[in-house]
Amino acid sequence: DVKVTQSSRYLVKRTGEKVFLECVQDMDHENMFWYRQDPGLGLRLIYFSYDVKMKEKGDIPEGYSVSREKKERFSLILESASTNQTSMYLCASSLGGNRNEQFFGPGTRLTVL
Amino acid sequence: GESVGLHLPTLSVQEGDNSIINCAYSNSASDYFIWYKQESGKGPQFIIDIRSNMDKRQGQRVTVLLNKTVKHLSLQIAATQPGDSAVYFCAENIMGGSYIPTFGRGTSLIVHP
Repeated sequence: DVKVTQSSRYLVKRTGEKVFLECVQDMDHENMFWYRQDPGLGLRLIYFSYDVKMKEKGDIPEGYSVSREKKERFSLILESASTNQTSMYLCASSLGGNRNEQFFGPGTRLTVL
Repeated sequence: GESVGLHLPTLSVQEGDNSIINCAYSNSASDYFIWYKQESGKGPQFIIDIRSNMDKRQGQRVTVLLNKTVKHLSLQIAATQPGDSAVYFCAENIMGGSYIPTFGRGTSLIVHP
């Protein structure tokens, strides 16, 4: 079974703090994604990566950065957390090529006070 | 079915009934579709997929129907159980193209015992 794990299920941070969200997948997938999910707004793509050290902006990259130093790990960084970044963050991976089915992690519920 | 706006469409059914969840997709070039189930506090999980060369695909208790003429997808759940209570998302994609699916906003299914 594909497994996508995220470093924390729940996180509480203060405004201005630097926040790291880690995601690891164990199926050698090429593609990895970070989404945020807010009530009524569905899944919104923040950043994605199709290879090690490669990254592409999604629909809402402002206030976020990412890092992919190893194939299995994709990190989301909030350089200076703000209250409007309180959300559920979901990481996903997909094999690539014609296999676009995404496998999701359990999510990290981030609260910024 | 899917909708634009802040409120998630909700479908309430009695245990044992059949459920039909609808999704209208936007891109006529999309040729690969996936249904995901997201239980409370968890990440979305793959349920079933269908390619555009088919108009029906069956899984265990679930059936997906695709009508390319009107760009409509539906998920049918037979003999709905309380464990089926979740938010259901459809996703559309183009195989061989971008590996970023477009997600619908989701429908909340509530199953009453």
